[in-house]
Amino acid sequence: EPEVTQTPSHQVTQMGQEVILRCVPISNHLYFYWYRQILGQKVEFLVSFYNNEISEKSEIFDDQFSVERPDGSNFTLKIRSTKLEDSAMYFCARGNLCYGYTFGSGTRLTVV
Amino acid sequence: SQQGEEDPQALSIQEGENATMNCSYKTSINNLQWYRQNSGRGLVHLILIRSNEREKHSGRLRVTLDTSKKSSSLLITASRAADTASYFCATDETSGSRLTFGEGTQLTVNP
Repeated sequence: EPEVTQTPSHQVTQMGQEVILRCVPISNHLYFYWYRQILGQKVEFLVSFYNNEISEKSEIFDDQFSVERPDGSNFTLKIRSTKLEDSAMYFCARGNLCYGYTFGSGTRLTVV
Repeated sequence: SQQGEEDPQALSIQEGENATMNCSYKTSINNLQWYRQNSGRGLVHLILIRSNEREKHSGRLRVTLDTSKKSSSLLITASRAADTASYFCATDETSGSRLTFGEGTQLTVNP
């Protein structure tokens, strides 16, 4: 099965700017997730998305974040007004808890 | 302690040796998964063990799960230099849809 593709692979943005991270999973999957990993730290859950709605979000996923599936195949994570501490690897994943996830290769976000 | 803690944090072995990594967790789970991450890359799913299973094999990987002790181990037999990576356990709690990852074990296999 094709991999999950994330774009861009690396993005540098000025503090306060908005960024949109994109993910192309398989269109017939229902479950999608965003996770992030700050350099040298553990992978943290951000949000799960089921049937085009947020099903669960973590305490990290505040009003600064939003997710969309604008065209039925792409899956986006928008970060408004980025902060320095948003610098991290952001991973999109598809799959389900019964069989495991397929993760994308990630987008490295650097906020300067 | 946090959900999904691995030990050791770092492990260095010679090629051909076996590597054992352990994971402990706190809450009730549906399953436990192990993932591998090469430096700066994405996570690769290795193996999933359900809460009603005690042991599972996949190639050179062997995973055990002890729900009474809330712990799991990942054994990599006959290690290769290409096995060098970080290994994470992740738990699926019965109460939600998220995976909770541990801190990871950095495995170095020396040729």
